[in-house]
Amino acid sequence: DTEVTQTPKHLVMGMTNKKSLKCEQHMGHRAMYWYKQKAKKPPELMFVYSYEKLSINESVPSRFSPECPNSSLLNLHLHALQPEDSALYLCASSQAPGSPKMYEQYFGPGTRLTVT
Amino acid sequence: DAKTTQPPSMDCAEGRAANLPCNHSTISGNEYVYWYRQIHSQGPQYIIHGLKNNETNEMASLIITEDRKSSTLILPHATLRDTAVYYCIVRVLGTPLVFGKGTRLSVIA
Repeated sequence: DTEVTQTPKHLVMGMTNKKSLKCEQHMGHRAMYWYKQKAKKPPELMFVYSYEKLSINESVPSRFSPECPNSSLLNLHLHALQPEDSALYLCASSQAPGSPKMYEQYFGPGTRLTVT
Repeated sequence: DAKTTQPPSMDCAEGRAANLPCNHSTISGNEYVYWYRQIHSQGPQYIIHGLKNNETNEMASLIITEDRKSSTLILPHATLRDTAVYYCIVRVLGTPLVFGKGTRLSVIA
């Protein structure tokens, strides 16, 4: 199984709502990532988890709160978002540094978020 | 990470080889060249990577110049399903991907 799944596929939320994006992989990967992609732009790295610990936060606003409850799951909690946060949110996973195949990141299909 | 430069767009006739160039003149000795692609409405997909030797897999070939300042991704027989944005990324092994603007490849019937 080389699949990264993301739910929901689409999400519309108001600026006062609280919602969560979910990501799951069963490849035994110990590194997981969140990327944000605006229309016609490349993906931008947001967060990296390594062995369930947050290792990189690319100066992301606190209205985005990541969580890695176990080695297979990654969540992104959303609160008080702005319309400019509307984007495709991509999750990815890879072998942890030091592993033989750590060069390859597997991406999910993304959650398309619209903030109204 | 070293900066990469790719043409914004390219066309290729179906069945012909697609040759996608990438310049990375500031690459350092421990940085690898990676290629990913993103088909419309999907997440990026790994294609191939290399350090200094040419590499080939079932999807593509990667040709890296001897001075490592540029590389070319070759799709030997492009199909319509190869229409995508192709990203050339230079990074140290094990570090997260940082995407540039990429090349939008259009395969034409």
